[in-house]
Amino acid sequence: NAGVMQNPRHLVRRRGQEARLRCSPMKGHSHVYWYRQLPEEGLKFMVYLQKENIIDESGMPKERFSAEFPKEGPSILRIQQVVRGDSAAYFCASSPMNTEAFFGQGTRLTVV
Amino acid sequence: ELKVEQNPLFLSMQEGKNYTIYCNYSTTSDRLYWYRQDPGKSLESLFVLLSNGAVKQEGRLMASLDTKARLSTLHITAAVHDLSATYFCAGNQAGTALIFGKGTTLSVSS
Repeated sequence: NAGVMQNPRHLVRRRGQEARLRCSPMKGHSHVYWYRQLPEEGLKFMVYLQKENIIDESGMPKERFSAEFPKEGPSILRIQQVVRGDSAAYFCASSPMNTEAFFGQGTRLTVV
Repeated sequence: ELKVEQNPLFLSMQEGKNYTIYCNYSTTSDRLYWYRQDPGKSLESLFVLLSNGAVKQEGRLMASLDTKARLSTLHITAAVHDLSATYFCAGNQAGTALIFGKGTTLSVSS
């Protein structure tokens, strides 16, 4: 059973471009969470999704950020018109129910 | 809204000695979790504590939960270099995502 798969592992974008981060949950897991981690800081919750539904997006910036978890395919975190402050590690986690979460390897986004 | 606080945030340990990390949370949490993160790596689940008085042990690490005091502790016995990492506690309420503390970075020296 493969773990949570995130890609790409590293992503470099110029200011103003779009960043798309993908997350394939573990098999059988229908709950997906996205977190952002800045250097030397903890994990900040962004959004919680189940298949085709956003359960809680209270941690997501109102502008430029969006997330989806379609019926088929991976969950996508999309950041439009990236700025330098978006540079961070973005972690996805999944769980079979709203319980223990298993984390992917993360996508390290660098905005230049 | 659940808030999770850890202390200390940094801990310099000597090999062979015992230490404790504290995790306080602000309101009822269904479960309490401990994770480990090595530099540049992902988070590895260590313990899930489900109920008051729960105690779990793995090697030199022991986690406990006191729901009345809203406190979990991670106790390190006879620290060794391999334990150097950042440790996070997290809690959640039914139907919500895990909320993490800021993490405690442990450094073990001989």
